[in-house]
Amino acid sequence: DAGITQSPRYKITETGRQVTLMCHQTWSHSYMFWYRQDLGHGLRLIYYSAAADITDKGEVPDGYVVSRSKTENFPLTLESATRSQTSVYFCASSDLLGTGNSGTEAFFGQGTRLTVV
Amino acid sequence: DQQVKQNSPSLSVQEGRISILNCDYTNSMFDYFLWYKKYPAEGPTFLISISSIKDKNEDGRFTVFLNKSAKHLSLHIVPSQPGDSAVYFCAAGRQGNLIFGKGTKLSVKP
Repeated sequence: DAGITQSPRYKITETGRQVTLMCHQTWSHSYMFWYRQDLGHGLRLIYYSAAADITDKGEVPDGYVVSRSKTENFPLTLESATRSQTSVYFCASSDLLGTGNSGTEAFFGQGTRLTVV
Repeated sequence: DQQVKQNSPSLSVQEGRISILNCDYTNSMFDYFLWYKKYPAEGPTFLISISSIKDKNEDGRFTVFLNKSAKHLSLHIVPSQPGDSAVYFCAAGRQGNLIFGKGTKLSVKP
């Protein structure tokens, strides 16, 4: 199916564990993003990637690691999960952002609800 | 410091009336701005966007206005419908760095 998919949809993990959230898109979009959504904070950008092997920090990158070895995948890893990382995580992809045109929208996945206990 | 601010956490409007959602930003280097709509347990969905070189963009019932001197944008929904009830996020971007506001919860009452 075409689109952007996140897995798993729900995850419970223990403090200190490593956990990886997966994101896969089928459009060959150059840009991919990871956001977290928390009450009172809206959507905060964790990391983004302009192309394979190019990643940049967003607003809240601490405690997270990303990689982009292939254009279609953008996994997010919490190397040692903490309770403050309990959140809903959204992956998004887009093509040719920042061209000065009307702006190509970013398409979002359904989200991963992560609980760290 | 927040680069994109939505100062109204909620807004209630009567069906058929205009809904106006506001957004302020601090970084004059943003190239483009977007509005998203979000229902519970779903990812945000794109509504409308505007380039920094324009001051208005219209798509059906949705119009976005950009005032660069004031660093302010707004989304107008006319007429509002109960199905428009959702959380609305504004976002601003430059070269892939796409920053969102905290969102405004719109309730459209029949």
